[in-house]
Amino acid sequence: AQSVTQPDIHITVSEGASLELRCNYSYGATPYLFWYVQSPGQGLQLLLKYFSGDTLVQGIKGFEAEFKRSQSSFNLRKPSVHWSDAAEYFCAVGLNKLTFGGGTRVLVKP
Amino acid sequence: DGGITQSPKYLFRKEGQNVTLSCEQNLNHDAMYWYRQDPGQGLRLIYYSQIVNDFQKGDIAEGYSVSREKKESFPLTVTSAQKNPTAFYLCASRLAGGDEQYFGPGTRLTVT
Repeated sequence: AQSVTQPDIHITVSEGASLELRCNYSYGATPYLFWYVQSPGQGLQLLLKYFSGDTLVQGIKGFEAEFKRSQSSFNLRKPSVHWSDAAEYFCAVGLNKLTFGGGTRVLVKP
Repeated sequence: DGGITQSPKYLFRKEGQNVTLSCEQNLNHDAMYWYRQDPGQGLRLIYYSQIVNDFQKGDIAEGYSVSREKKESFPLTVTSAQKNPTAFYLCASRLAGGDEQYFGPGTRLTVT
């Protein structure tokens, strides 16, 4: 069965500092991996995705993620956080059926 | 503008009543999905449909029902058998052969 773990429930980061969100997955084959962002009370927006090829993928809003098969990880990073990045972030695995992690809520301090 | 519409944004019902949540898409997507979101639990799949007149149970289908009579519509009924129906419900769609699921804005259901 596929599963996703996001170990950090909350992360607080200062504006301008770097951000890294962790994601570990379990999947029987080559994983299809996604990162979504959700603002309060809203739907989800896709930040980036990985299926194959270059293990460092670039997404929207200055985000990137690195796929590490040996660690079953797909961590999300941003070099310099803006106040508008405060949101909840979800890692997901699958294709026809997505399995989501529990999410990480990011708070940005001025 | 193409997208997914969920209505209403907020829905209130009394315990014991069935309630139907609407999901409409004009993206010409083939697959549609319903998720339930509770704090700290991420999104959990309720039902999904890959073509018209066909749908499959997800991980938490008990107490819910769906229909897919039209490609653009995938309504979800929360029945009185659902023990904890208060939640945020998200609908999504995906093009056949595509990889990304597109999400609607969600409906927050409160049952008292």
